[in-house]
Amino acid sequence: EVQLVESGGGLVQPGGSLRLSCAASGFTFSSYWMHWVRQAPGKGLVWVSRINSDGSSTSYADSVKGRFTISRDNAKNTLYLQMNSLRAEDTAVYYCARVVAGTEGWFDPWGQGTLVTVSS
Amino acid sequence: SYVLTQPPSVSVAPGKTARITCGGNNIGSKSVHWYQQKPGQAPVLVIYYDSDRPSGIPERFSGSNSGNTATLTISRVEAGDEADYYCQVWDSSSDHLVVFGGGTKLTVL
Repeated sequence: EVQLVESGGGLVQPGGSLRLSCAASGFTFSSYWMHWVRQAPGKGLVWVSRINSDGSSTSYADSVKGRFTISRDNAKNTLYLQMNSLRAEDTAVYYCARVVAGTEGWFDPWGQGTLVTVSS
Repeated sequence: SYVLTQPPSVSVAPGKTARITCGGNNIGSKSVHWYQQKPGQAPVLVIYYDSDRPSGIPERFSGSNSGNTATLTISRVEAGDEADYYCQVWDSSSDHLVVFGGGTKLTVL
C-alpha cells in the first residue's frame, strides 16, 4: 500500500523552529517529486514547497521562502521540512504529498497531516 | 502569479447534479486536477488530467476543461459527497509552482 505518514508537528513559540518528517512506503520514493501543502484552520489548501526526485532542485512559496527548507533522504524514504523563524500565520496542518506524472501531474496520495501551532 | 477562482459554496438536492467551477486565465491550456476533502481528513484525488477518474472513484464524478473554466460535475449526488472540493494546476511560468483554487463547499440538501 502506498502510504505517507507525517510527524514532527506541535506547539512552538513565534520565532522558533520545527522539523517535519514524512515517511514514505509502498513505492519507490527516489523516483518521485514530493511536495508540502498546508491548510490553516478553516481555510483552503496552500502549496508550500516541492523537491525533485534526487533533491537537487527545490521551490518555495513566497510566504515561506528564506525561512523553510525542504529536503529528502532517499536512503531512508523520508521527506523533511525544516521550518525556522515561525510566525503565527504558519499555523496549519501540513501535508506531504507525492506527485504522479511529474510536472503537470497530480497529488496522490496525501499523508494524514501534522498540525503546527505557532503561539506564545 | 496564476489565480484559480472557485465559488465558495454549491448546494444541491440528493439525486441531482452538482457542478463546481474553477476559473482561470486560459485554464483550458492547462491540466486540471480535482480533490475532495471531508472534515478532518486529508484530500483525496477525484479527477486528474481534466477528466480522468482514478480507480475507486465512482463514475458519477466527471470533469471538463475549456477556455477560462474547468468544471467538476457530480451526477446523482449522494449525502456522502458532501465535502470541500479543490481544483489544482501547475503554474509553469514560475518554476513549477503549484496553485490551488480557494475551494468549494458542496452541501447536499
